[in-house]
Parts: sequence; structure tokens; C-alpha cells
Amino acid sequence: LAKTTQPISMDSYEGQEVNITCSHNNIATNDYITWYQQFPSQGPRFIIQGYKTKVTNEVASLFIPADRKSSTLSLPRVSLSDTAVYYCLVGGMDSSYKLIFGSGTRLLVRP
Amino acid sequence: DSGVTQTPKHLITATGQRVTLRCSPRSGDLSVYWYQQSLDQGLQFLIQYYNGEERAKGNILERFSAQQFPDLHSELNLSSLELGDSALYFCASSVASDVNTGELFFGEGSRLTVL
Repeated sequence: LAKTTQPISMDSYEGQEVNITCSHNNIATNDYITWYQQFPSQGPRFIIQGYKTKVTNEVASLFIPADRKSSTLSLPRVSLSDTAVYYCLVGGMDSSYKLIFGSGTRLLVRP
Repeated sequence: DSGVTQTPKHLITATGQRVTLRCSPRSGDLSVYWYQQSLDQGLQFLIQYYNGEERAKGNILERFSAQQFPDLHSELNLSSLELGDSALYFCASSVASDVNTGELFFGEGSRLTVL
């Protein structure tokens, strides 16, 4: 089962781009990488999912290098409301279906 | 609104008691996952069901049990409660049995306080 490692916390300012990197050195061939956002006392919310290269949606981009041993969630022009915990999750068909969340990255956006 | 409904939203009980948390997945979702989140802690995976059958088990205590019914709703039973069981319990659902083919939709959680 691929274990993930993320920075515990990050600080940023409104309007800046934030990049959060997740390491997953033993990712399996069929594993996908998924990122979630969680606000206090709320359930996590799906942000983006990818397998390789780059994926972009209306809220974020996900960059995955060729070796897939890491991934970077990019949040363009963050606002105060982006202050949350961000989780990187790795899993797939060959995994044990135990969808394990790591400790997450606590992002604080300052005015 | 994720479409996943959890009840009750809040529950206060005493040590040694037993409680049942209920989850109704999104319409059409066959998988249900249960997670525990203690204060300032990450999400601990407890158990997953797919179409009524247990699919994966995490660090779920023997005092805890769960099931998924034919109508696909799920219940998490917590017994012989201890102070340390106080936490937010989240249910999530997805269409497929694994995360590859889609995202997890989380409910708002049931906050359990054991006194």
C-alpha cells in the first residue's frame, strides 16, 4: 500500500499560487492519485484526481512526473477560503482497497 | 451537499454505552466507507462495504462493527464506549468499489462525545 508524505503545514497570502507536494515512493502501477480538501468539522471534498502528467480542472491542477513517485497540487491565486487541510491519497485496483489518508497539509492563507 | 446523509449529527453518551451511526449513500453509489477523525487527527479508515459485502477493513476495533443493508444504507455500531472513542465519524460513498474510478463523497459526519 502506497504511503504518502506531505508537509505538515504551509503558509501563503491571498492571490498567490500554492503548490503542495506529496511523496509516494512505492506507488503501484495501477494506483491513481487523488487530492481532497477538508474544512474544520466538515467531511473532505474531492479536488482532483490523476494518473500521470498533468490534470487541470476549475479549481486546481495536478502535476505528476514520469516516475509517479510524487505529485504536486497547484492552487492558483488562493483566497482566505482556501484555508483548509489538503490530503493526498493513493490507491487503485491493485491496492487493498484500504483508502488511507495521510496526515494532510494544513494550509493557512493570510490576507 | 454531497448527497451522503449521516445521522445523528451529534451524539453524547456515557462510557460503556452502545451507539449506532447511520449513513445513507448517494443514490446509485454501491460503496460505503467509514472513517474516524479524532480531535486534530487525520482520517482513520475503519471499514468499507461494497454492495452489501465487506470489502476492506482498516484499524477498526473489535468493539466496533458495521454492516451494509440491501437498500445500501450502512450502520456503524460502537459498543462498550470509552472516552477515546469521542470523535467525528465520517461516512463516504462512491459508485465503484475502489477509488480509481471515481471520487469519494463524504457526509457531514456524526460527532460522538463520550463522557
